[in-house]
Amino acid sequence: GENVEQHPSTLSVQEGDSAVIKCTYSDSASNYFPWYKQELGKRPQLIIDIRSNVGEKKDQRIAVTLNKTAKHFSLHITETQPEDSAVYFCAAIRIRGGADGLTFGKGTHLIIQP
Amino acid sequence: NAGVTQTPKFRVLKTGQSMTLLCAQDMNHEYMYWYRQDPGMGLRLIHYSVGEGTTAKGEVPDGYNVSRLKKQNFLLGLESAAPSQTSVYFCATTGMGGEQYFGPGTRLTVT
Repeated sequence: GENVEQHPSTLSVQEGDSAVIKCTYSDSASNYFPWYKQELGKRPQLIIDIRSNVGEKKDQRIAVTLNKTAKHFSLHITETQPEDSAVYFCAAIRIRGGADGLTFGKGTHLIIQP
Repeated sequence: NAGVTQTPKFRVLKTGQSMTLLCAQDMNHEYMYWYRQDPGMGLRLIHYSVGEGTTAKGEVPDGYNVSRLKKQNFLLGLESAAPSQTSVYFCATTGMGGEQYFGPGTRLTVT
């Protein structure tokens, strides 16, 4: 089955700086890579995703890059703000018709220092 | 349009007791999932369903059973609860594009 590794487990950055979270996956057949943000006591919320036919995707201050050859993908947050503080999860899955369930990384606790 | 809902929100069980968690969705999605979330472990797939009347095992299925008698509902059962099943349980559903939408979660404590 798929295995997803996520680093770092904790990331502390100054407000206004950039944050980068990295994930690797094991199954070369995986073709969908979402990122979720989870605030304390809340449900995971999809913030951005990328499919295997695309190398990069951007949505305002958030971007995701995918390197299929190396089997890794990264989340980039620029101009960080206090409301970016949360736990972020990457995930991977091979979608074929529907979806058999995401494999998640173990999460990164992002702390934005004022 | 409520999306994905879960009942109950919180529950405390004694070891050996049984209970059922209910997930309901009004998105008309075929696929539904149950995950558990433990500190430092991320979310792990327990069971899932690709349509009414079907279920399949995920990564950590032991100690749980599921049923999907109606398309909009996915039930997760614990027949004999154990302290190792203390966790937060999330239900999710997905459309054909793969985007998963999560319910608000159920916090279960087994003493």
